Amino acid sequence: DVKVTQSSRYLVKRTGEKVFLECVQDMDHENMFWYRQDPGLGLRLIYFSYDVKMKEKGDIPEGYSVSREKKERFSLILESASTNQTSMYLCASSSGDGSTDTQYFGPGTRLTVL
Amino acid sequence: GESVGLHLPTLSVQEGDNSIINCAYSNSASDYFIWYKQESGKGPQFIIDIRSNMDKRQGQRVTVLLNKTVKHLSLQIAATQPGDSAVYFCAENIRGGTYKYIFGTGTRLKVLA
Repeated sequence: DVKVTQSSRYLVKRTGEKVFLECVQDMDHENMFWYRQDPGLGLRLIYFSYDVKMKEKGDIPEGYSVSREKKERFSLILESASTNQTSMYLCASSSGDGSTDTQYFGPGTRLTVL
Repeated sequence: GESVGLHLPTLSVQEGDNSIINCAYSNSASDYFIWYKQESGKGPQFIIDIRSNMDKRQGQRVTVLLNKTVKHLSLQIAATQPGDSAVYFCAENIRGGTYKYIFGTGTRLKVLA
């Protein structure tokens, strides 16, 4: 089974803090994704990566950056957290082999910015 | 508590009955579809997928139906159990093109004992 893990389930930070969210997958997947999930809005893509050191902006990249130094790990960084970044953050990965590109999700990190 | 499910349409089903959850997808070029289940406080869990060259696919207690003419997807759950209570949402993808998925906002399924 695919396993995607996220470093924290719950996180509370203060406005202006730098925040790191870590995601690790154990299936040697090429693609990794960061989403945020808010009531009534569904999943919105922040960034994704299709290879080590490669990244592309999603629909709402403002206020976020990412890092993928190793294939299995994809980090989301909030350079200066703001209250409107309070949300559920979900990491996902997919094989990227073109035949089956199912996205598998981690358990999520609920971030509260005070 | 978990706030992901606020403002969602809700389907209430008696335990043991069948459930049907619907999804209207947006892009006629989408050719791969997934249903996810998300329990309170957890990440989405893959349930079943279907490609556009199929109209129906069955799994264990679940069936997905695809109607490309009207861009409609449905998830049928047979003999609904209390453990099926969750938010269900669909995702569509243009396979071979963008890596991006379009996700529905979801339907909350409540199983009544």
